[in-house]
Amino acid sequence: EVQLVESGGGLVKPGGSLRLSCAASGFTFSSYSMNWVRQAPGKGLEWVSSISSSSSYIYYADSVKGRFTISRDNAKNSLYLQMNSLRAEDTAVYYCARKCARTIFGVVISYYMDVWGKGTTVTVSS
Amino acid sequence: SYVLTQPPSVSVAPGQTARITCGGNNIGSKSVHWYQQKPGQAPVLVVYDDSDRPSGIPERFSGSNSGNTATLTISRVEAGDEADYYCQVWDSSSDHKVFGGGTKLTVL
Repeated sequence: EVQLVESGGGLVKPGGSLRLSCAASGFTFSSYSMNWVRQAPGKGLEWVSSISSSSSYIYYADSVKGRFTISRDNAKNSLYLQMNSLRAEDTAVYYCARKCARTIFGVVISYYMDVWGKGTTVTVSS
Repeated sequence: SYVLTQPPSVSVAPGQTARITCGGNNIGSKSVHWYQQKPGQAPVLVVYDDSDRPSGIPERFSGSNSGNTATLTISRVEAGDEADYYCQVWDSSSDHKVFGGGTKLTVL
């Protein structure tokens, strides 16, 4: 069974740090790009960051650029999100999601997320 | 950055057809994906690339995309379809994945 399991969430003070993990199983993790997506309480989904299968390409939302770092360890089938300088507005459920691409003649024309974890909750509060 | 606009809510009676729209500038030139999220659960992909369905998703879920509007259509709506629905596209200019604000589907 294809599965993603997040961990590492918790309560942290503003300005603090937290490292999230996502353990993948049931598929060849090293073949897929991955995403982090978050959802603030009562709000919609917000894409946070993505990383290519070999870590060559990394992207961040403007709201977290310079504070968050995405990484992966293909030998451990794991995805990570290092979150520094946390703010109250970073409070959210954080999901990891597998990234799928549609290509035509080798050119990517779309990206979507076909498998999601259950999420881990991050609360930033004093 | 690219913006996707969804109505906050849509209501429909059981057995009827629900249509949830997603507006964006020339969205018809992009591939649109739809996710269903029930309370307390993770999102689930229900339609990708405008109109394709992942395995296990009922044929009652379909999608279309043209001009400035993409539409998720749910036929023969059931109580179990009550959820939040989000559209998503890839903004190739920034390589960002963009979500709409979400639409709450209420089954009357």
